[in-house]
Amino acid sequence: SQQGEEDPQALSIQEGENATMNCSYKTSINNLQWYRQNSGRGLVHLILIRSNEREKHSGRLRVTLDTSKKSSSLLITASRAADTASYFCVNFGNEKLTFGTGTRLTIIP
Amino acid sequence: DTGVSQDPRHKITKRGQNVTFRCDPISEHNRLYWYRQTLGQGPEFLTYFQNEAQLEKSRLLSDRFSAERPKGSFSTLEIQRTEQGDSAMYLCASSFPLGQETQYFGPGTRLLVL
Repeated sequence: SQQGEEDPQALSIQEGENATMNCSYKTSINNLQWYRQNSGRGLVHLILIRSNEREKHSGRLRVTLDTSKKSSSLLITASRAADTASYFCVNFGNEKLTFGTGTRLTIIP
Repeated sequence: DTGVSQDPRHKITKRGQNVTFRCDPISEHNRLYWYRQTLGQGPEFLTYFQNEAQLEKSRLLSDRFSAERPKGSFSTLEIQRTEQGDSAMYLCASSFPLGQETQYFGPGTRLLVL
């Protein structure tokens, strides 16, 4: 299966703190993506990291990729209430996206 | 708004009825995807089109499901003889000809089968 597994399944932190969520996958990948889903904006692409990259930044997001361990992490710094959402690590393979079950992040004001 | 749009946003139907959903992708996108998402799970791939051609269907897509994209623009997903197990969020996404891996999702159609 190309499905990623996110850890933890749920995470609650205080506003302003950093949030880290992890993803492990079983197959080789060309790239790995993170998507966010909330009730307001639906499912949105956040960031893509290719297999030859180790770290990538986008605003308050930092993604790392360790191909030897088949794992990735997403760090959100200085969290805000609007970051409350489900976060999915996603593999694109065989012309389709394969999602894990996600990490449910709750930011406590 | 030039994003992906879906209609209706919500649908309640009785078991055995047929339902049809519509998706309008971003205009310059040639690929269009349908996914289904149940509560607490990530979206699961159903089918995709490149222009008007349906190139792949998931095993999740039973014979009661049919999707079309007649002119390579909007797409419809029809479910015949709905069952309670069809209750889910149906998501549509589209992507550019280059960079297929980044997909842009619509707001989804939430189906409830009573």
